[in-house]
Amino acid sequence: EAQVTQNPRYLITVTGKKLTVTCSQNMNHEYMSWYRQDPGLGLRQIYYSMNVEVTDKGDVPEGYKVSRKEKRNFPLILESPSPNQTSLYFCASSTQQDPSSGNTIYFGEGSWLTVV
Amino acid sequence: SQQGEEDPQALSIQEGENATMNCSYKTSINNLQWYRQNSGRGLVHLILIRSNEREKHSGRLRVTLDTSKKSSSLLITASRAADTASYFCARFDVGAQKLVFGQGTRLTINP
Repeated sequence: EAQVTQNPRYLITVTGKKLTVTCSQNMNHEYMSWYRQDPGLGLRQIYYSMNVEVTDKGDVPEGYKVSRKEKRNFPLILESPSPNQTSLYFCASSTQQDPSSGNTIYFGEGSWLTVV
Repeated sequence: SQQGEEDPQALSIQEGENATMNCSYKTSINNLQWYRQNSGRGLVHLILIRSNEREKHSGRLRVTLDTSKKSSSLLITASRAADTASYFCARFDVGAQKLVFGQGTRLTINP
């Protein structure tokens, strides 16, 4: 079954304590991406990756890091989380390097992150 | 940031009725994708319709696309309580390599 798996699904953490949200896909997809969803602001892209070792900033990359050492994994790292990073986070993936050609973009179940 | 328009923003109907949601976009597209999101949950992919397609079906779902009007619609027939969710259309911005979502329609099916 095609899956994008995120962990943790729910996390409450304190300001400044580094955390990593993992994302793994089992579809051998080249393209992966992270979004955050906030009320009134909708979904905004944080970072994306076109393939292994290729990452690029999205609309709201400040305060986040990513890495793409393997094709299946695309972790999102918050080095020093702050309360304004409290949000619902989604990882997404798609086959081919150019999803605009008509490939389904799959999303994970989401990770609720609260920074206090 | 949302760059599409969906209407209505909220729709409440009785179980068994049909629900129609509309989506408009501003730029040319290669395809449009529709997603469902249950409250606070993940985005579930429903249908992808390509720019050379006018209509697509999947079970009780029917999506139409009118590229001349830059609009699409999602029809859910014989609605069920389990269809209660938010529905989003999204186009892929090739330059930014990201999905651009509409504001979404919050659909409530009353038993």
